Amino acid sequence: DGGITQSPKYLFRKEGQNVTLSCEQNLNHDAMYWYRQDPGQGLRLIYYSQIVNDFQKGDIAEGYSVSREKKESFPLTVTSAQKNPTAFYLCASSMISNNEQFFGPGTRLTVL
Amino acid sequence: GESVGLHLPTLSVQEGDNSIINCAYSNSASDYFIWYKQESGKGPQFIIDIRSNMDKRQGQRVTVLLNKTVKHLSLQIAATQPGDSAVYFCAEGDMEYGNKLVFGAGTILRVKS
Repeated sequence: DGGITQSPKYLFRKEGQNVTLSCEQNLNHDAMYWYRQDPGQGLRLIYYSQIVNDFQKGDIAEGYSVSREKKESFPLTVTSAQKNPTAFYLCASSMISNNEQFFGPGTRLTVL
Repeated sequence: GESVGLHLPTLSVQEGDNSIINCAYSNSASDYFIWYKQESGKGPQFIIDIRSNMDKRQGQRVTVLLNKTVKHLSLQIAATQPGDSAVYFCAEGDMEYGNKLVFGAGTILRVKS
């Protein structure tokens, strides 16, 4: 059953704590992406990676960090430096040769 | 940077009617456009895409129209069903700059039974 998975679906953290969101894909896609979605708004790109051990900042990278040690995995860490971390986080992946991005089910992060 | 926007934030249609969701884009260099559907609490799902060398593309019950002259994109849904209720996003990309997509804010489609 191929696809892209994110865990957990809901995550609660105290202010000032770092938290890592998981994203795994078994589609053999080279590129992976992290987006943030706030209520009533579109998706904003946080980070993306087109190859293992390489990644680039998106439009709103401040307060976030990523790693790409394996092709299948692209975890996102929301650090305490992120001023307003409560949001819906979406991970996506795509082939390099194709713009179509496949999305995971999302993780809703709430910082208390 | 360049951005994608939508004319109507909410669209209400009667079940069985046709729906038209509009999108304006500002980057004239964009050469690839996608429509996504997002149901509440879920990730976006691909609906249909179109490249800039086309002005129309049809799928199952959906049609995307591209007007490059006025930088306008639309999604037409035929015989709208309750299951079509969702938020619809358009996204644009420039293949010269890889796979990055820029998303619009979204339009809420409500189908009345």
